[in-house]
Amino acid sequence: GAVVSQHPSRVICKSGTSVKIECRSLDFQATTMFWYRQFPKQSLMLMATSNEGSKATYEQGVEKDKFLINHASLTLSTLTVTSAHPEDSSFYICSAREPDRAGNYGYTFGSGTRLTVV
Amino acid sequence: GEDVEQSLFLSVREGDSSVINCTYTDSSSTYLYWYKQEPGAGLQLLTYIFSNMDMKQDQRLTVLLNKKDKHLSLRIADTQTGDSAIYFCAEWTGTYKYIFGTGTRLKVLA
Repeated sequence: GAVVSQHPSRVICKSGTSVKIECRSLDFQATTMFWYRQFPKQSLMLMATSNEGSKATYEQGVEKDKFLINHASLTLSTLTVTSAHPEDSSFYICSAREPDRAGNYGYTFGSGTRLTVV
Repeated sequence: GEDVEQSLFLSVREGDSSVINCTYTDSSSTYLYWYKQEPGAGLQLLTYIFSNMDMKQDQRLTVLLNKKDKHLSLRIADTQTGDSAIYFCAEWTGTYKYIFGTGTRLKVLA
């Protein structure tokens, strides 16, 4: 089946620094990928839709200058958390859809990245 | 607005059946999903049901959909300790995005 690889799985960074998270579709091409954020004991919230070759679409309330998304190829999307603050500490998960998969629009999720900002 | 609700916790004994419930608000949902999340991991798609179906069975999993009441349930037969995880229901809305429930933490007692 479709596999989405996310890296790193855990990262600790200092306040004010930037962190890049990668999301790769390993055995399929994904023109669209999605980035979610999960706060402790809460559900996943969609942050943005990453479109290959064009600008990402951000959900309301998500700062596009803080969460930079680049989808430069059909197999890679990156999320960069810029000038990170402790409140950015969270679990970030990406997902992608295997194209032309009839009858099921389910998406494959990465294993997530636990970001801790100290 | 769009909202998906689940109870937060469920505890069952090994071998019993587990039933996890979910209610949603968007009547235009085409697909409804159940995902499993183990500690520190991403989401694993368990099963899904198309909105014009009432029931779907997949091995130990049974999904029931009451579209009139906007109620979705997941039944796990013969629950095992390996089933302990957080279960999320999600709807694929008319605006082409997932709306996830808050997740139900299932604890299986040996």
